[in-house]
Amino acid sequence: AQSVAQPEDQVNVAEGNPLTVKCTYSVSGNPYLFWYVQYPNRGLQFLLKYITGDNLVKGSYGFEAEFNKSQTSFHLKKPSALVSDSALYFCAVRDTSQGGKLIFGQGTELSVKP
Amino acid sequence: KAGVTQTPRYLIKTRGQQVTLSCSPISGHRSVSWYQQTPGQGLQFLFEYFSETQRNKGNFPGRFSGRQFSNSRSEMNVSTLELGDSALYLCASSLAGEGMRTQYFGPGTRLTVL
Repeated sequence: AQSVAQPEDQVNVAEGNPLTVKCTYSVSGNPYLFWYVQYPNRGLQFLLKYITGDNLVKGSYGFEAEFNKSQTSFHLKKPSALVSDSALYFCAVRDTSQGGKLIFGQGTELSVKP
Repeated sequence: KAGVTQTPRYLIKTRGQQVTLSCSPISGHRSVSWYQQTPGQGLQFLFEYFSETQRNKGNFPGRFSGRQFSNSRSEMNVSTLELGDSALYLCASSLAGEGMRTQYFGPGTRLTVL
């Protein structure tokens, strides 16, 4: 069965410092991986995805993610965190064996302090 | 382009009632998926529709049903509501059902069952 795990429930970062939100995956075949962000009382906002190709994927709002096949990881990164980045972040994998539904990790709460 | 819209945004119902939620996908998108988000279970897949056909269904009881219309708009219905059905219901649309397509989410409908 395909799955994703986000090992940290919460990540705290000082504004201006680099941030990393971790995600590991387990899939059979080629993974289609996604990152979404959710602000309070809002839906999920797409940040970036990995389908194939370059292991470093660049997305919205200065975020990027590094795909590592040997470590089965897809960590989200940003060189310099902003207070406005504080939100709930979800990693997801597309389950292509069952019509393409998204399987989400449990989410990581990112808190950026001034 | 307008994003995914969901109506209503908020609903309060009592146990035993039924409810219908509506989702209008991004123009041109033919695939619609529904997810339930709760603090305890996280994001869970409900259904996926493509060209008016249900392609996939999550592990939810038969009280949860859905449909898609010829204009790609979708509705989901929950009958005989239970307290545990209180959740944020999210709709997502994509151009088609292939695995690499990005799903774009609406703001959600917050359902409270009393």
